Amino acid sequence: DIQMTQSPSTLSASVGDRVTITCRASQSISSWLAWYQQQPGKAPKLLIYKASTLQSGVPSRFSGSGSGTEFTLTISGLQPDDVATYYCQQYDTLWTFGQGTKVEIK
Amino acid sequence: EEHLVESGGGLVQPGGSVRLSCAASGFTFSNHAMVWVRQAPGMGLEWVSLVTASGETTHYVDSVKGRFTVSRDNSNNSLFLQMANLKPEDTAVYFCAKDRGPYGGNPLDSWGQGTLVTVSS
Repeated sequence: DIQMTQSPSTLSASVGDRVTITCRASQSISSWLAWYQQQPGKAPKLLIYKASTLQSGVPSRFSGSGSGTEFTLTISGLQPDDVATYYCQQYDTLWTFGQGTKVEIK
Repeated sequence: EEHLVESGGGLVQPGGSVRLSCAASGFTFSNHAMVWVRQAPGMGLEWVSLVTASGETTHYVDSVKGRFTVSRDNSNNSLFLQMANLKPEDTAVYFCAKDRGPYGGNPLDSWGQGTLVTVSS
């Protein structure tokens, strides 16, 4: 099974900061990587797929990069509405989610 | 607008059964694989089961194989998860989600709000 490892588990940043979350796969998944945002008490929401393609309606401050085994999600200019837990997900072989990264505002 | 609404959760005793439902609207249900994903309290997301668009093929995470059965009714835009021999570790919010394609293994681009299943005596 493909394992997904995210870092950090929690991060605290100020409004306007650039925030980066890393996701590593236990084997190469090409670009079959998605990112989801789960705001408190809500369902997950697809942000990015194929490692770097922004889902329709998602603000452009969100971006993704990477391929193979290492990927990043960047928020360029953190907003209060971005307080959430972010999950990476591989879909090379069915699905596996990372353990999540909780983003808080300082 | 795409919409998924789960129902059927509640308190169930260990060893008991429950059937979850998911009502879909706003998209052509019969063109998409559908997935159940669960989230234990305070924990992350875990994919549980998949049914392809036609309903002919299903997949399950190892921990639920032989206990859970996923099915769908394309004529009524509905997805189901029959859960049997429930264990305390099955306690979670269960989300239904839409796969971008008909066979599974794609990003999940629509999600319901979830239904809580609590397995406890």
